[in-house]
Amino acid sequence: QQQVKQSPQSLIVQKGGISIINCAYENTAFDYFPWYQQFPGKGPALLIAIRPDVSEKKEGRFTISFNKSAKQFSLHIMDSQPGDSATYFCAANLTGGGNKLTFGTGTQLKVEL
Amino acid sequence: NAGVMQNPRHLVRRRGQEARLRCSPMKGHSHVYWYRQLPEEGLKFMVYLQKENIIDESGMPKERFSAEFPKEGPSILRIQQVVRGDSAAYFCASSPRIAALGETQYFGPGTRLLVL
Repeated sequence: QQQVKQSPQSLIVQKGGISIINCAYENTAFDYFPWYQQFPGKGPALLIAIRPDVSEKKEGRFTISFNKSAKQFSLHIMDSQPGDSATYFCAANLTGGGNKLTFGTGTQLKVEL
Repeated sequence: NAGVMQNPRHLVRRRGQEARLRCSPMKGHSHVYWYRQLPEEGLKFMVYLQKENIIDESGMPKERFSAEFPKEGPSILRIQQVVRGDSAAYFCASSPRIAALGETQYFGPGTRLLVL
């Protein structure tokens, strides 16, 4: 059962553009939603995270938008740069449920010059 | 502060051999998680351990896989009698406090296992 669905699978954006990656979850008990960035051959690195008591969180060029009623959340990368080219994973966590992260399937982002 | 360390980074085994993957959490972290990433897929939870205790192993295959986190030394993920389907990247993550606080998990660089 895929509890966190992520789209698109791949994304090409021009330098300076906005990259948008979407995720939807099924378990309403999830209460922590991190995004991870992974470069080839490396482990995932935490990018930004949000809890469902807020609808938006911004850190630099990265923004999470959260829609609790729709059970959806998205990552926006403003002014996308070639260095942002990586695979992005959304995840969801159930506090008190063992702290195990449930990951989306990933989005391969390529930012072109 | 050193991050999560995993070794080896790459491991090649023949079918039927054993694979031992090691993970040293970040300093001060006492919670370790193992995830498996198949090619072109997201990470799948395998097991969550604290020192000397397995807290949640709901993602572990019932056979051939085991994990431990001894009082001293790194956490070990052990795969006995490996098969080609075990080929994947295995990531370890650690967090500093109890799970109920929803602490962020910090990932290591992974061990890429190839079974020939």
